[in-house]
Amino acid sequence: AQSVTQPDIHITVSEGASLELRCNYSYGATPYLFWYVQSPGQGLQLLLKYFSGDTLVQGIKGFEAEFKRSQSSFNLRKPSVHWSDAAEYFCAVGLYNFNKFYFGSGTKLNVKP
Amino acid sequence: KAGVTQTPRYLIKTRGQQVTLSCSPISGHRSVSWYQQTPGQGLQFLFEYFSETQRNKGNFPGRFSGRQFSNSRSEMNVSTLELGDSALYLCASRDGGTANTEAFFGQGTRLTVV
Repeated sequence: AQSVTQPDIHITVSEGASLELRCNYSYGATPYLFWYVQSPGQGLQLLLKYFSGDTLVQGIKGFEAEFKRSQSSFNLRKPSVHWSDAAEYFCAVGLYNFNKFYFGSGTKLNVKP
Repeated sequence: KAGVTQTPRYLIKTRGQQVTLSCSPISGHRSVSWYQQTPGQGLQFLFEYFSETQRNKGNFPGRFSGRQFSNSRSEMNVSTLELGDSALYLCASRDGGTANTEAFFGQGTRLTVV
């Protein structure tokens, strides 16, 4: 069965430190890949997406993600975290032949001053 | 361009009642999906409507239903409410509804069942 795994439920980093949030998917072909961010009580906002081409994707707010086919991963990174980045982050995959969209369980990011 | 609008933002209902939530997608978007978000279960897919037809459905009981109108606005209905239905209900719209299109989310409706 298709699935999206975000192994880290909670992550705490210090402000200014680097960040990497993990995402793995289970699917026979390369899906369309997305990262979303959700601030408390709000809807989800798209950070970045990967469809094809360059495997390193740049997004908004200084985020980037790298697609690694061999590892079925699409990890989100940021070189220097700001306190305003504290939120919940969701990885999602779109399956083109089934036209379905799946979300991971989310990773809550806490930023220490 | 206006974003996805969900109404109402907050709702309190009693067990056994029914509730209807509304979602107005971005103009021109034909796909509307509904999600339930709870602290314990995370973000769970309810169903997706495309051009007034339910195209995909998640694993929720029949008490959860929806529809989409010709103007792409969608409603979600939950009958015989249970305490466990308390959640943030999110609506997302997509242009064309194919898997490679970005989903735009509304701010959600916070439903509390007492």
